[in-house]
Amino acid sequence: DAKTTQPTSMDCAEGRAANLPCNHSTISGNEYVYWYRQIHSQGPQYIIHGLKNNETNEMASLIITEDRKSSTLILPHATLRDTAVYYCLCMIKAAGNKLTFGGGTRVLVKP
Amino acid sequence: NAGVTQTPKFRVLKTGQSMTLLCAQDMNHEYMYWYRQDPGMGLRLIHYSVGEGTTAKGEVPDGYNVSRLKKQNFLLGLESAAPSQTSVYFCASITGQGPLIFGPGTRLTVT
Repeated sequence: DAKTTQPTSMDCAEGRAANLPCNHSTISGNEYVYWYRQIHSQGPQYIIHGLKNNETNEMASLIITEDRKSSTLILPHATLRDTAVYYCLCMIKAAGNKLTFGGGTRVLVKP
Repeated sequence: NAGVTQTPKFRVLKTGQSMTLLCAQDMNHEYMYWYRQDPGMGLRLIHYSVGEGTTAKGEVPDGYNVSRLKKQNFLLGLESAAPSQTSVYFCASITGQGPLIFGPGTRLTVT
C-alpha cells in the first residue's frame, strides 16, 4: 500500500470549512484513498473513500487531484464534535492487505 | 448485526501473566486485523488474517500470537505480558466492498 503523509495537526474555526490534505505520491492505479477519523479513544470511524473522481457524502467531500498523488478531505461546516484525529489510507479494494496507518492529523475545532 | 465486538473491554494484568483477546464479527468479513494504540500515538498493526486458518505478521508482532480458527473470530494472545504491552487494542475487519470496520477497543494495563 502507498505511504501517506499528513500534517501533524491543524486548528479550525467552528462553522468554517476544514480542509485536510494528504499526500500519497506512490499510489498505484488500483488503490483507493480512504479517510477515517478517531474521536477521543473510540475505534476509528469510516468517513469516505474514492478512486479518481471527487466524492461527497453526508459527512464530507473528498477531492483527489488528477494525478492522484494527493487528496483533500473537506468538512464543509466544522462543529466541535469534529475534533478528532483524521487518517488517510490507501488500499486496494477487495484484497487482504497489510493495512498500516500513518500518524494522522489531529484536528481541533475551536468555537 | 453487532458489527465488530471485542472481549474484554478492560483488563489489568501482572507482568508475566497471559491472556487472550477475542474479536468477533458477524458480517462474514474475509479479512481481520489487530492494532495497538499507545497513548497519544497512532495505530500500529500487530497481526492480520486474510482468511480462516491464515495469519500474517504486521508492524509490531513480537510478544503476540494470533489464531483464526473460525472465520468470524480472530484471537490475539499475550503469552507473557510486559508493561510495554500496556495499550488499547483495536480489532478491525473488512470485506471486498470495504470499508474497514473497527471494534470498540480493549484497554489493557500491565503492571
